[in-house]
This record gives sequence, structure tokens and C-alpha cells, in this order.
Amino acid sequence: DAGVIQSPRHEVTEMGQEVTLRCKPISGHNSLFWYRQTMMRGLELLIYFNNNVPIDDSGMPEDRFSAKMPNASFSTLKIQPSEPRDSAVYFCASSHQTGNVNGYTFGSGTRLTVV
Amino acid sequence: DAKTTQPTSMDCAEGRAANLPCNHSTISGNEYVYWYRQIHSQGPQYIIHGLKNNETNEMASLIITEDRKSSTLILPHATLRDTAVYYCIVRVGGSQGNLIFGKGTKLSVKP
Repeated sequence: DAGVIQSPRHEVTEMGQEVTLRCKPISGHNSLFWYRQTMMRGLELLIYFNNNVPIDDSGMPEDRFSAKMPNASFSTLKIQPSEPRDSAVYFCASSHQTGNVNGYTFGSGTRLTVV
Repeated sequence: DAKTTQPTSMDCAEGRAANLPCNHSTISGNEYVYWYRQIHSQGPQYIIHGLKNNETNEMASLIITEDRKSSTLILPHATLRDTAVYYCIVRVGGSQGNLIFGKGTKLSVKP
């Protein structure tokens, strides 16, 4: 299994531009999570999906952030317009929630720099 | 989910056991203890989890006190590659909830 795949690995963009981060979860996993990590705030959960449906987006910082999961094998996190304070590492994770506890598998992250 | 308290940092000599403590005094009966670690610049990695009984896998052992108010993650023979931030997380099992990460413990394994 290739694990959780995120793209791009690095993104540098100018303030005001739209940024789209992508995630392919592990096949068979039905839950997907987007996290953001900064030095100041650590790892923060932004949003999570179960069976492609957004369950909790209370961690999404502003309306500039949006996430979609059109099918079980793909999700996007979009920032429009981007700002320098959005610079962070964004992680995607997936899990198979069967009613028993299971660990999450994280991707390698996308390092976003907004200048 | 219950809150956890971990030391900010710890050192361990290579080849020795690393014992990482975690306090979770407000843990509920249906909450599990999870441990993850994050090696620099990588995504967090699942290590182990448990409810009441001690658990062991190929990576580590988890010792949970009888009152479940604290636990210890043990890396039996630490290597330089075990240098990472270790997160102890308490979470309700079987739910559609999520993992909330604290600040963790920065473990430095030294030669």
C-alpha cells in the first residue's frame, strides 16, 4: 500500500492567490482528516469526513478555507485568497472506522509558504 | 476527550530504554490512550494504543496504571532514529471522533 498520498509536497505562492492541496487516502479507509501544523499552534484539526461527508469543520479557521471529498479516493483543501499567516504544513490522514478504535495514517504533508 | 499532561522534553542514551510518562487524570471509562510520534518534517506515526491492559507491539510497550490516570510508553532499546516528538492522546473509542494533539514530549536519543 502506498499510504496516504499528498500533493504537492511544497507550495510557494503569493498572497491573494488560490491554493489547492490534494490528498489520496488509503484504499478502504472511510474517514479522512485535514490537519495544519505551525510552530505556534502545533497540530490542529481543520475538518474531517466520514464516508465522503463532512462531519466536523469547526476547526476551519475562516471562510477562505474550504474542503471537499468528491469520492472515496480524493480530497482537496482550498485556500482562497491565501494570506501569509496560512503558511504551515498541512497534513492529511485517513482511518478505517469500523466502530472499533483504529489508528490514523498520516501523509507526508504539504509545506505551504505564502509570501 | 480528556486532557493529557506530558513533560516537554526528555533525553535517553542510545540502547537504553526510554520511558515516556503521560498523565490523564480525568480519563473516562470508555476512553483509550493513544501514542503517536512525529519525526522531524514527517507526518505523525501511530505507535500503540490501549484501554486498561498493558499492550506491546513491535515498536513499544504501553503500561497503564490500574486507576488509568497515567500511562508510560516504553521504547525498550532506543536508537537515534527514535528521536521525535511523542504525543499521548486520550480519545473515546469506536466513535467518529478525532485525534486532538497536545504539545507532546520531545525525546532526544543521544549516542
